[in-house]
Amino acid sequence: QQQVKQSPQSLIVQKGGISIINCAYENTAFDYFPWYQQFPGKGPALLIAIRPDVSEKKEGRFTISFNKSAKQFSLHIMDSQPGDSATYFCAASMHASGGSYIPTFGRGTSLIVHP
Amino acid sequence: NAGVTQTPKFQVLKTGQSMTLQCAQDMNHEYMSWYRQDPGMGLRLIHYSVGAGITDQGEVPNGYNVSRSTTEDFPLRLLSAAPSQTSVYFCASRKGQYRDYEQYFGPGTRLTVT
Repeated sequence: QQQVKQSPQSLIVQKGGISIINCAYENTAFDYFPWYQQFPGKGPALLIAIRPDVSEKKEGRFTISFNKSAKQFSLHIMDSQPGDSATYFCAASMHASGGSYIPTFGRGTSLIVHP
Repeated sequence: NAGVTQTPKFQVLKTGQSMTLQCAQDMNHEYMSWYRQDPGMGLRLIHYSVGAGITDQGEVPNGYNVSRSTTEDFPLRLLSAAPSQTSVYFCASRKGQYRDYEQYFGPGTRLTVT
């Protein structure tokens, strides 16, 4: 059972355009939603994260929109640049039985930004 | 700070062989974890540790063992490699269990089992 569903699987955007990646979850126990960026041959790196008590968080050109009632959240990349070409993962974290916060990852979106 | 380091970067094993993937961090992080990444599957948690001497299973623990004798090191052991374990393995660490602590990933180990 896929707990975090991410779409689209791949995305091609022109330079200057808006990239939008969507994620949906079922388990209402999730209470922390980070996004990771991964370049080829590298490990993922935290890009931006949001808690469910806010509906939007912006950091530079990157914005997370969060809809708690719909159990959906999305990443918007404004003015997309070729350097943004990477794989993006959404994740959702919840308290595990042992007390740790364990993230569950979406399957990733490969973004290509054409110059 | 070197951050999270992993060795080796690449490894080819034959079915049935055993090996240990090394992971170390120099940030004095309590929480460490191992993930595997397969095409179209995202990152799946294998094992994690909340501190020296404490480990627990993640989503896909079968075929893997871990131990945490020091804060810095968290090796992952493949007991008898199988082709299904062909994957890219990432080690990660964060300061503590709290959700807002940033998780740092290593550069990965690409493992092929023939």
